Amino acid sequence: SQTIHQWPATLVQPVGSPLSLECTVEGTSNPNLYWYRQAAGRGLQLLFYSIGIDQISSEVPQNLSASRPQDRQFILSSKKLLLSDSGFYLCAWSVPGTGGNYGYTFGSGTRLTVV
Amino acid sequence: GNSVTQMEGPVTLSEEAFLTINCTYTATGYPSLFWYVQYPGEGLQLLLKATKADDKGSNKGFEATYRKETTSFHLEKGSVQVSDSAVYFCALLLYNFNKFYFGSGTKLNVKP
Repeated sequence: SQTIHQWPATLVQPVGSPLSLECTVEGTSNPNLYWYRQAAGRGLQLLFYSIGIDQISSEVPQNLSASRPQDRQFILSSKKLLLSDSGFYLCAWSVPGTGGNYGYTFGSGTRLTVV
Repeated sequence: GNSVTQMEGPVTLSEEAFLTINCTYTATGYPSLFWYVQYPGEGLQLLLKATKADDKGSNKGFEATYRKETTSFHLEKGSVQVSDSAVYFCALLLYNFNKFYFGSGTKLNVKP
């Protein structure tokens, strides 16, 4: 069966420090991968999505970047965190070739607090 | 453009009350529609979906009917439980696209 792992679960980082959040998927090949952010009291914002290794699409200009060095690994990074980067970050995957019509499977999320 | 609009929360109900959470959408194509649920401190879980007009998605006592004429996908449950307390997200997916458009979420609080 397919599983998605996301870590760490919580993170407190000072302003200006770097960030690296990792997401891995098991039990499937060539998944579509996504990073979403949920700011406090707000909905989900798509940050990045990827349909293959080194194929990253950015949805919004921001202080973050994403990379996919391996087929089932998706990394969210920042060189210098801002206070506005605080939020709940969710990784998700969908079955390739279906357009996501079977829904996404989400990781358990990382709560990032920038202080 | 493509967007999803949900009713503002929080919604507070007593146990066994009837639930409706409104969701309407705007789409440039012919979307599939979804409801996701997020329990406190967790990621999102798929609750139900409908892929074409007049389809009804159902799961765990929740239902939603895809209404093309009113561009709506309202979530309903006949008798809510305390364990249903969560945030509910409506979402649309356009055919042949790889990304969802989510509503802002509606928080449901169910009191015993």
